[in-house]
Amino acid sequence: RKEVEQDPGPFNVPEGATVAFNCTYSNSASQSFFWYRQDCRKEPKLLMSVYSSGNEDGRFTAQLNRASQYISLLIRDSKLSDSATYLCVVRLGTGGGNKLTFGTGTQLKVEL
Amino acid sequence: DAGITQSPRHKVTETGTPVTLRCHQTENHRYMYWYRQDPGHGLRLIHYSYGVKDTDKGEVSDGYSVSRSKTEDFLLTLESATSSQTSVYFCAISELLAGGQETQYFGPGTRLLVL
Repeated sequence: RKEVEQDPGPFNVPEGATVAFNCTYSNSASQSFFWYRQDCRKEPKLLMSVYSSGNEDGRFTAQLNRASQYISLLIRDSKLSDSATYLCVVRLGTGGGNKLTFGTGTQLKVEL
Repeated sequence: DAGITQSPRHKVTETGTPVTLRCHQTENHRYMYWYRQDPGHGLRLIHYSYGVKDTDKGEVSDGYSVSRSKTEDFLLTLESATSSQTSVYFCAISELLAGGQETQYFGPGTRLLVL
């Protein structure tokens, strides 16, 4: 079983739609959680952290369910510019030596 | 922008030749990382450094070595390149976020093709 699992997609949605991505992680000791965005042939970029209470950043909402070891990302009012691959990322502990574990990503295509 | 550059950005080499990739950062970050990204595998950690001359292995370190002789530069060397090392290589640094979480920022990547 992969440490971080995501549906690879692609998710093809019309502009203005709401889309949700899910992610599960296997290590219950995981402490920190993030969503990254990666455009084609570019580096991953931090989209947002994910907090236990849930958090929102504009059109993006992230949720964490520690009991189910499940993370979600909701994008409202999708824009063409949201087309990218979204990576679910988990960190075991604190400190720079604790590695990040990356999911393989979910591809989103927003269409006119 | 975390001030990370990578060189070269693209490289084509032949099997059996040594290759060195360079990561350079300008903001005095202590921790630096090398990842490779391949379809179906996501990003996988090769090696990381927690200070000058302090390095450790990641999950896919076989066939790779690293060096960090000064804070700003982290070098990744493929001792004898193989076709299985064809990949996109990303360097990263650790940074503390405002909320107290520590995460990583990535350089632009190096595309390596081993023929």
